[in-house]
Amino acid sequence: AQSVAQPEDQVNVAEGNPLTVKCTYSVSGNPYLFWYVQYPNRGLQFLLKYITGDNLVKGSYGFEAEFNKSQTSFHLKKPSALVSDSALYFCAVRDIGAGGSYIPTFGRGTSLIVHP
Amino acid sequence: NAGVMQNPRHLVRRRGQEARLRCSPMKGHSHVYWYRQLPEEGLKFMVYLQKENIIDESGMPKERFSAEFPKEGPSILRIQQVVRGDSAAYFCASSSGTGALSSYNEQFFGPGTRLTVL
Repeated sequence: AQSVAQPEDQVNVAEGNPLTVKCTYSVSGNPYLFWYVQYPNRGLQFLLKYITGDNLVKGSYGFEAEFNKSQTSFHLKKPSALVSDSALYFCAVRDIGAGGSYIPTFGRGTSLIVHP
Repeated sequence: NAGVMQNPRHLVRRRGQEARLRCSPMKGHSHVYWYRQLPEEGLKFMVYLQKENIIDESGMPKERFSAEFPKEGPSILRIQQVVRGDSAAYFCASSSGTGALSSYNEQFFGPGTRLTVL
């Protein structure tokens, strides 16, 4: 079974400050992890993914995420937030272990608001 | 290379009518996924299709909902006898790869169809 949790419905940060959007997951095997961003009235856009290798993954628009197996987390980060980063962010997980699914499970989403 | 196309972008139906949502995947993609998004519920998986085959429909209601991805043409999500509870944004996504290779490929999403049932 696979599940993902985004514990914060909303994250507020001032422009220029670092931002973190949290994601934790649960799988029985190994995970494939993804982050997507959704702007108003648009579809989801892929940001980055962790499959294997380096725990720090760099993606689009200056975002990065760190895979932490011991804490089962995959938090999204950016060193300096922009107002244009304000959007809805989704974490997704796939369990590639025995009995896993080829359909990713998405979190409920975290609304990021960057204040000028 | 055009992205995932969905039409219509907005669809208004009265209760009892049929809603037909179309999705054209990215060029070269043979895997299509349909999701429903409600404000308080996030993104919910409905169905996964490959050309002419339904691979996984575990997220789709057993009644009134059906999906297809014919050999030629777009994927269609059909909702018969719509009810107010069907009002939502419906997103289509596509990915490339076959078999195990598709498992780590990210999905590319269309802009969605916003269905309103009056």
